[in-house]
Amino acid sequence: EIVMTQSPATLSVSPGERATLSCRASQSVNSNLAWYQQHPGQAPRLLIYGASTGATGIPTRFSGSGSGTEFTLTISSLQSEDFAVYYCQQYNNWPRTFGQGTKVEIK
Amino acid sequence: EVQLVESGGGLVQPGGSLRLSCAASGFTFSTYWMTWVRQAPGKGLEWVATIKQDGSDKYYVDSVEGRFTVSRDNAKNSLYLQMSSLRAEDTAVYFCGRGGNSPAYWGQGTLVTVSS
Repeated sequence: EIVMTQSPATLSVSPGERATLSCRASQSVNSNLAWYQQHPGQAPRLLIYGASTGATGIPTRFSGSGSGTEFTLTISSLQSEDFAVYYCQQYNNWPRTFGQGTKVEIK
Repeated sequence: EVQLVESGGGLVQPGGSLRLSCAASGFTFSTYWMTWVRQAPGKGLEWVATIKQDGSDKYYVDSVEGRFTVSRDNAKNSLYLQMSSLRAEDTAVYFCGRGGNSPAYWGQGTLVTVSS
C-alpha cells in the first residue's frame, strides 16, 4: 500500500494570502494524484487530478504541481470559502490511498 | 444532473451485518467504475472499495477484505456495499463516488455506527 503523507497538518493563513500544501508518496505515483477539499459535514470536492489539471468549475486560484513522489497544492489568494481540510489521493496503485489531510485555518 | 444518494446506514452491534445502497441518476451508470470511501468521526478519508463497470473487477482496502463485498445492479442504477463481521472501527460516514480514480461526484454519505 502506498502511504501518502501531507504537511503541514494545520496551516494558518490570512485571507488574501497564498497557501502552499505538500503531499509526499512512499513510492512513485507518476502523475496519478488528486486533491480534494472538504468542509465539515460535507462530501469531498475534487479540485485537481492528474497532479495539475483543474477539475470542472474549480477556480483558477487552485493549482497543483509535482510528479513521482512530491506534490504541491497552491491556493494563490485565500478566500473565506477556502478554509477547509485538503486531502491528496493517489490512484496509481490499488488500494487507492489518501493523505491524512491538511487543515487550512484562518490566522 | 448527476446525483448519488446513499442509504442503509444505522446502528449495528459488533459482529453484525449491514447493506449500504447508493442510488445513481443523471448519468449512464453502467459506463462508470464506482467507489466507496468512508470517514470515521473526526478523522480523514479512507478508500474502501471500487468496482468496475460490469462488476468483473473489485478492489478493497486490506482492513475490509473478506468482510465487505461491493456489488452493483446496472439495471437498477445502484451500487451496494455488503458489510459483515462489523467492528467498532468500521464506524464512519460512508460515501459513494462516481469513478475509480479521482471521483468528481459524491453522495452526501450515510452514517454507520457499530456499537453495543
